[in-house]
Amino acid sequence: KAGVTQTPRYLIKTRGQQVTLSCSPISGHRSVSWYQQTPGQGLQFLFEYFSETQRNKGNFPGRFSGRQFSNSRSEMNVSTLELGDSALYLCASSGGTGGVYEQYFGPGTRLTVT
Amino acid sequence: KNEVEQSPQNLTAQEGEFITINCSYSVGISALHWLQQHPGGGIVSLFMLSSGKKKHGRLIATINIQEKHSSLHITASHPRDSAVYICAARPLEYGNKLVFGAGTILRVKS
Repeated sequence: KAGVTQTPRYLIKTRGQQVTLSCSPISGHRSVSWYQQTPGQGLQFLFEYFSETQRNKGNFPGRFSGRQFSNSRSEMNVSTLELGDSALYLCASSGGTGGVYEQYFGPGTRLTVT
Repeated sequence: KNEVEQSPQNLTAQEGEFITINCSYSVGISALHWLQQHPGGGIVSLFMLSSGKKKHGRLIATINIQEKHSSLHITASHPRDSAVYICAARPLEYGNKLVFGAGTILRVKS
């Protein structure tokens, strides 16, 4: 099976712009979670989507949003970019409908805001 | 206080040494994950634990649910084990949300 893929891998944006990142989960996985990693804050949970519905949300401002499509692919959007949004954005997919399942991480998108 | 605390922050070992990384958490969990991150960012899941002990090659992970503590052990360490090791707790009733420790930077010298 192909792993989790994320596009683009690298991105440079200017303050005030918006950005959309994409994540394709492992085939058959219905849960996609998004995480932000920065040197100062480490890894933090952004949100999780399951079957096109947001199931959990972390403590991030409303500028961060996401969605999931019927094929389980997910996008996250950051509007009005700030310098502090520069980070590695990781998504992870998980299979199963209940219980506890392994999470498989994508390679990440490195976003630089100038 | 962070919900997940990891120690040590940095660890330097000689090749062949036995290594232990500790993780304590304060929330009720459905599972505890140990992750490995190499330079460049990619994260690999090493273990997912909800009780007891798991072993994979030279890696061993244990968890004590009552004490809310987990350990990752590396036997016969090798320079290729150099990476950041992160423990992550999956809080009860929060789906697949993970709460992360700050990570342990491990360097194994030959």
